[in-house]
Amino acid sequence: QSALTQPRSVSGSPGQSVTISCTGTSSDVGHFDYVSWYQQHPGKAPKLLIYDVTKRPSGVPGRFSGSKSGYTASLTISGLQAEDEATYHCCSYLGSYRKVFGTGTEVTVL
Amino acid sequence: EVQLVESGGGLVEPGGSLRLSCEGSGFTFSSYEMNWVRQAPGQGLEWISYISGPGSTIRLADSVKGRFTISRDNARNSLHLQMSSLGVEDTAVYYCARDYGDNSDAFDIWGQGTMVTVSS
Repeated sequence: QSALTQPRSVSGSPGQSVTISCTGTSSDVGHFDYVSWYQQHPGKAPKLLIYDVTKRPSGVPGRFSGSKSGYTASLTISGLQAEDEATYHCCSYLGSYRKVFGTGTEVTVL
Repeated sequence: EVQLVESGGGLVEPGGSLRLSCEGSGFTFSSYEMNWVRQAPGQGLEWISYISGPGSTIRLADSVKGRFTISRDNARNSLHLQMSSLGVEDTAVYYCARDYGDNSDAFDIWGQGTMVTVSS
């Protein structure tokens, strides 16, 4: 099972919006509405941002939102803030309790 | 506080073995499915193993199948990963991660990670 494809990096100025794509296949992103997104700061463990494509756990700011169309899921950060500078990972369910992560995207706040 | 704490990482020679542990606290450990996820230096995350709450269902990624074993001891709120025939490609930070549950799919709680270095 190959990793989901994410852009290596995206950037934006404070207050702007950025969108990170996560492209899979008919076996993962295209088949299940179980895509999750994680934020990871350097040297830290990942933190859950979005689950089940669009749901946000309590405590996650509303500027983080998720969506999906076909084989591509997306994470949008609206109103970019300095603390959003991190690496973002997508993850999709594969069935039979298996999962696959994306390649990871570094977000730079200019 | 809901928490996962890994231990057992270290330096091991190629072909060697290592056993990682993860202790959960602040929640009913036996009620949750658990996973191991690893991250090689400078790389993305890789899911490698899953175990159901009772421990009756286990899954392993192809990259570790036949070499790694996942287990749990619910009486001790602990999760384990027994790793053998280690290669340099297994060098990574290993995280234990809790499944969100509730008919949703995500890893909602992560440990701080434990580093495994395979080198001669």
